[in-house]
Parts: sequence; C-alpha cells; structure tokens
Amino acid sequence: QSVLTQPPSVSAAPGQKVTISCYGSNSNIGNNYVSWYQQLPGTAPKLLISDNDKRPSGIPDRFSGSKYGTSATLGITGLQTGDEADYYCGTWDSSLNVGVFGGGTRLTVL
Amino acid sequence: QVQLVESGGGVVQPGGSLRLSCSASGFTFTNYGMHWVRQAPGKGLEWVTFITFDGTNKFYTDSVKGRFTISRDDSKGTLSLQMNSLRPEDTAVYYCAKDLRRGSAIFDFWGQGTLVTVSS
Repeated sequence: QSVLTQPPSVSAAPGQKVTISCYGSNSNIGNNYVSWYQQLPGTAPKLLISDNDKRPSGIPDRFSGSKYGTSATLGITGLQTGDEADYYCGTWDSSLNVGVFGGGTRLTVL
Repeated sequence: QVQLVESGGGVVQPGGSLRLSCSASGFTFTNYGMHWVRQAPGKGLEWVTFITFDGTNKFYTDSVKGRFTISRDDSKGTLSLQMNSLRPEDTAVYYCAKDLRRGSAIFDFWGQGTLVTVSS
C-alpha cells in the first residue's frame, strides 16, 4: 500500500484533457512540495512537475500541476499518443522521514 | 549536461551482498542531496534512501534499515549503496537520482538504473 493514493488508470482520446489525482496527508502533501514524474515504457522516470506546479525546462505547458491541502493534481491537455506512460506523484513525509510515492497511474490515449 | 550512471547490479543469492555505484557528472556534486529509488518488476516506484549534500544525514525506508548503507565520495563524484542480507523482495531496478536542491525529495535527474536480482 502506497502512502500516496493515485487512481490505477485513466484514459482519454487524443486532443482531450485528463487529470490525475494524488491524495496524502498533513505529514506529506500537506506540508511538503509535490512532484510528478512520467515513466515511458522501459525507461527511467522523468521529472514533469516540481514544487507543486513548476515545469522544468523543456517540459511543454500542456502539463500542469496544482496542490490544495493534502491533495495534488496533474493535468495534461492536448493529449498525444506519446503521452501514454505511467505517472507518479511524490513528496517527503515529515513524520516518517522518508520519501513517498503514489502507486502510479497508467495513462492510455485511446 | 547532468549524467548519472549506475553500475554493480547482478544476480545474488538470498543473504548475500552487493554494492551499487552511481557516477555523477555535469553538476557540482557537493551541492546536492542524492537518493536511491527502486522499482520491482511490474511495480511502482519505491524510495529507498537519501544522503544529504554534505553526507552528515542519511535516511532509509524501514524495510532496508540495518541492511543497506548509503554513502558518497565527493572527491570522485560517486554515490554508493552497500546492500547486505539481501532478500528476494529486494529484487528491483535501482535508480540513482539527484535531488533538485540539498534536500527537497524532488528528483530532477535519474540514472538509467541497474537491475538487482536476489534469487537462489
């Protein structure tokens, strides 16, 4: 069981928008920055969003992040078939003093 | 450009030991915390351990405490993970990851990973 909770899968058509939720608690999301990662099949994860809503250089503005209280959301607009991947949220848990991830969400672009 | 290259993975029997290394380049190694993150076959990401930028503090997930030791050699720009008393459930791809800052638990660069298989 992951400390952070994500839906196992989401799907949408090309060109559409999708959101992926990530639920935690006060000790993790509530008091620390959330980051999001994209993992394409057979590759290492890649940072998509840092500090709740910051896009690193090179990440398209189709990707966005937000945080409210103890939950966070990743949004992807203008879906492309190349966006099919596993997406993970992550943060630090200040009570456990460990890094934590969500269980991952598989995005299918139909 | 930032590069992280892991090595040292392989097949080991339960109860055995293995030492992973991560060679870092393209950034000032001494300014950043470093992490190991693993991924069991077909499973999600699991954070394993973190060492602060100056090596003074180390944190571990409960399942590896007392068995794994993270260390860094700033003179060589190398991160290491000594894994003892290995168990089948330690089987995973192990990624070395750079912290975005000194200790944010945001991983801005990842290595390609090295596979550790614990099996008799």
